Amino acid sequence: DQQVKQNSPSLSVQEGRISILNCDYTNSMFDYFLWYKKYPAEGPTFLISISSIKDKNEDGRFTVFLNKSAKHLSLHIVPSQPGDSAVYFCAAKSGSNYQLIWGAGTKLIIKP
Amino acid sequence: EAGVAQSPRYKIIEKRQSVAFWCNPISGHATLYWYQQILGQGPKLLIQFQNNGVVDDSQLPKDRFSAERLKGVDSTLKIQPAKLEDSAVYLCASSPLRGISTNEKLFFGSGTQLSVL
Repeated sequence: DQQVKQNSPSLSVQEGRISILNCDYTNSMFDYFLWYKKYPAEGPTFLISISSIKDKNEDGRFTVFLNKSAKHLSLHIVPSQPGDSAVYFCAAKSGSNYQLIWGAGTKLIIKP
Repeated sequence: EAGVAQSPRYKIIEKRQSVAFWCNPISGHATLYWYQQILGQGPKLLIQFQNNGVVDDSQLPKDRFSAERLKGVDSTLKIQPAKLEDSAVYLCASSPLRGISTNEKLFFGSGTQLSVL
C-alpha cells in the first residue's frame, strides 16, 4: 500500500530549463510534506518542505506546490543546474504521527 | 558541525550470518532513527529512539533485527541471522529534541550498504 507515489523513476532536463518533479499521495490526513535530495553513496539531505495550510513554498531556485484537492505536490527547480542531478524523494507525515512516509524517488539528470 | 557518522560503509555476508551496524548521531540530537532502503524504494523506518528509549519499532522484524542506543548517544543495529532480502542500504538519521510531533527535518548519515549472498 503505497501512500506516497512518485510515478516517474527518472527525468532528464536540459541545463538552464525548469525541472518539475511530481508526487501523489493517498492519505488525506497528511499535513506536512518534505523533499529530500540524495547523491550516490550519501544519505538524503533535506531540501524544502510545505505545510498543508499553504499551497506554495519557495526557497531560492526551489519551489514546492501543494494541491490538496488533487492530493498532489510538485517540486520546481529553476533554472536547473548540473549539481541538481540526484535522486529526489518526496515524504509526508500526518499530525502528531512523527513517522515519515516516503516515495520511491525520482532520478533527475541535468544534461549540459 | 560533524554530521551523522555510520560504519561500516559496505558489508558483504552470507545468509544466516550476523552483522552489526554502528551510528553516531549529531551531537545534542536526542532522536535517532534507523531506516532500511531497498534498491528502487524509499527509506522505510525500522526503529526510532528518543534518547535511549524506543518510540516506534513497529516495522522492525524483531525475530532477527535488534537495536539499542546505550546512554542515549551511539546506536547499533544488528541482524541475526541475515536473509537474502535484507540486502539494502541501512541509513541512520538524527534530529534535535523538540518533541516527536514537530515538523523538524532529519539529518542522515551516508548509510551502510549490506549485501547478503
